[in-house]
Amino acid sequence: NAGVTQTPKFQVLKTGQSMTLQCAQDMNHNSMYWYRQDPGMGLRLIYYSASEGTTDKGEVPNGYNVSRLNKREFSLRLESAAPSQTSVYFCASNKEGIRGYTFGSGTRLTVV
Amino acid sequence: ILNVEQSPQSLHVQEGDSTNFTCSFPSSNFYALHWYRWETAKSPEALFVMTLNGDEKKKGRISATLNTKEGYSYLYIKGSQPEDSATYLCAFGPGNTGKLIFGQGTTLQVKP
Repeated sequence: NAGVTQTPKFQVLKTGQSMTLQCAQDMNHNSMYWYRQDPGMGLRLIYYSASEGTTDKGEVPNGYNVSRLNKREFSLRLESAAPSQTSVYFCASNKEGIRGYTFGSGTRLTVV
Repeated sequence: ILNVEQSPQSLHVQEGDSTNFTCSFPSSNFYALHWYRWETAKSPEALFVMTLNGDEKKKGRISATLNTKEGYSYLYIKGSQPEDSATYLCAFGPGNTGKLIFGQGTTLQVKP
């Protein structure tokens, strides 16, 4: 039972490079989320997908795009990375709004 | 901007001490209040999800209460053990979207 799988675990990018963070869950959850964790701040929502085929902006969507490829997969893309996007990124999923999240192990991204 | 405040920011206790933390959240448009436990080098894990005013949840030595009218929740740990050392996050769910607004967390260190 893998839960939520995120790849890669670590990444260093140069300013202006692009990359996609992958997230997949095997729990048949409807909703998936991308959060970022910065020192001294709570987890902040970037984008979420309430169900397959839908995506919505969260609190800090600028500089990111997402794709809900199917029910299992929800990817986060940085088109032109900036140092301000240096952060730890967490993917999470849940069955429905009332249920607790299951988190992935996180991706530590550094943009230089 | 919806804010979730947790206090204290950090706490150091001796093994066997009982302790409690506070989470304050907006009292309007309440849908759910989550508590998570986050150990170093791991991902956050769901402890409780509470939805009704007056809810009380318990898991072993950890319990939580909820007051939606005044916008606060307490997390209690009875007889703290070193393995309870972690950051405890609370998160407020405004409306039935599944989105959560996280507090910054309370970091607990239990000394043997």
